[in-house]
Amino acid sequence: EVQLVESGGGLVKPGGSLRLSCGASGFSFSIYSLNWVRQAPGKGLEWISSISSGSTYIYYADSVKGRFTISRDNAENSLFLQMNSLRVEDTAMYFCARDRGSGSLMTFDYWGQGTLVTVSS
Amino acid sequence: QSALTQPASVSGSPGQSITISCTGTSSDVGGYDYVSWYQQPPGQAPKLLIYDVSIRPSGVSNRFSGSKSGDMASLTISGLQADDESHYYCSSYTSDSALVIFGGGTKVTVL
Repeated sequence: EVQLVESGGGLVKPGGSLRLSCGASGFSFSIYSLNWVRQAPGKGLEWISSISSGSTYIYYADSVKGRFTISRDNAENSLFLQMNSLRVEDTAMYFCARDRGSGSLMTFDYWGQGTLVTVSS
Repeated sequence: QSALTQPASVSGSPGQSITISCTGTSSDVGGYDYVSWYQQPPGQAPKLLIYDVSIRPSGVSNRFSGSKSGDMASLTISGLQADDESHYYCSSYTSDSALVIFGGGTKVTVL
């Protein structure tokens, strides 16, 4: 069974930093691209970052470019999101999501349950 | 970049069919057959319902179907059931810097 479990969320002050993790199991982690998608309270979904299987290709939404860094450790089946210079508007549930691959661009076939990040003074 | 446009809410009675629209541009929905639909019950993670416009993943009920015409994609739920009450989001690959954009979401209510 495919499982994605996020951790690392919490309360942080504006300008602060946080590192999110996503542990994976039940599939060949190293051959899939992975993504972070967030959802502000009561709002819709927003894709924020993607990393290819071997970390060669990395992409960010304009809203987080220069502040967030995505990375992965294929030996540990883990995905990370380093978030710096956090803003109030970064407050959201953060989901990690697996890219289906097989020619379907940016299709997210499995999602974790999310970890909540709250940025507030 | 603006989100894809979805109606805020759609409702129907049990057994009826409803359709949710998702309108984009030639840079996303109209330009690529990479439209997906997700179901998100309250407090839960999204679940993939449809990908590549009209393909259902294994395990998804055939009451859910997807289509596309021009810059607009649609999700149809037939034989509406009480547990279909949820939020539904469309998404599309985009040639813009965002790579993928989502719709604003549609709340489906079963009357």
